[in-house]
Amino acid sequence: EPEVTQTPSHQVTQMGQEVILRCVPISNHLYFYWYRQILGQKVEFLVSFYNNEISEKSEIFDDQFSVERPDGSNFTLKIRSTKLEDSAMYFCASSAQRTTNTIYFGEGSWLTVV
Amino acid sequence: TQLLEQSPQFLSIQEGENLTVYCNSSSVFSSLQWYRQEPGEGPVLLVTVVTGGEVKKLKRLTFQFGDARKDSSLHITAAQPGDTGLYLCAGGRIQGAQKLVFGQGTRLTINP
Repeated sequence: EPEVTQTPSHQVTQMGQEVILRCVPISNHLYFYWYRQILGQKVEFLVSFYNNEISEKSEIFDDQFSVERPDGSNFTLKIRSTKLEDSAMYFCASSAQRTTNTIYFGEGSWLTVV
Repeated sequence: TQLLEQSPQFLSIQEGENLTVYCNSSSVFSSLQWYRQEPGEGPVLLVTVVTGGEVKKLKRLTFQFGDARKDSSLHITAAQPGDTGLYLCAGGRIQGAQKLVFGQGTRLTINP
């Protein structure tokens, strides 16, 4: 069964450092997303991406965050200067359609900022 | 702000019992998804309901979308220890439908 894959599974980084989280969405999907889940809290929407541009972003997704689809398969989330409060599980997701009916999530990248 | 509230937050029952988990909102959603999440892993999609009053069955799991598309329920019949996990509901908005709003989850424990 096709799946969304994410790397790394776990990263520890110093506060202020840049982090890039990578995702390979399901191959025929056109819509890509990043969500995050702080330990013990709800899964929160960060950003959606379609046709090589951001289609929607949340208030969490400030200037420290950026997304990119550098080639035909990868989708990345960059955090420019990490803060302690960026520590969370980051989930990549993809869907074939614009509606939210069929969003599939990856296994997540656990980011710890120290 | 759209919110989804799940109840109960924690549920521990014996194997073989039935249970229902609720997902409620004051907002209308275009669709409602149920996911199951294991510790340290991503949410795994169980089902999507899109029509008010819709009922979907997945083996011993029955999912229902409320008539007004503001609430949903997950009913498990004859629960098994393998059903243990965190169950999340997530709603898709009517407009700008790419963003899912998640509930806080129901942590279910089925005791042998």
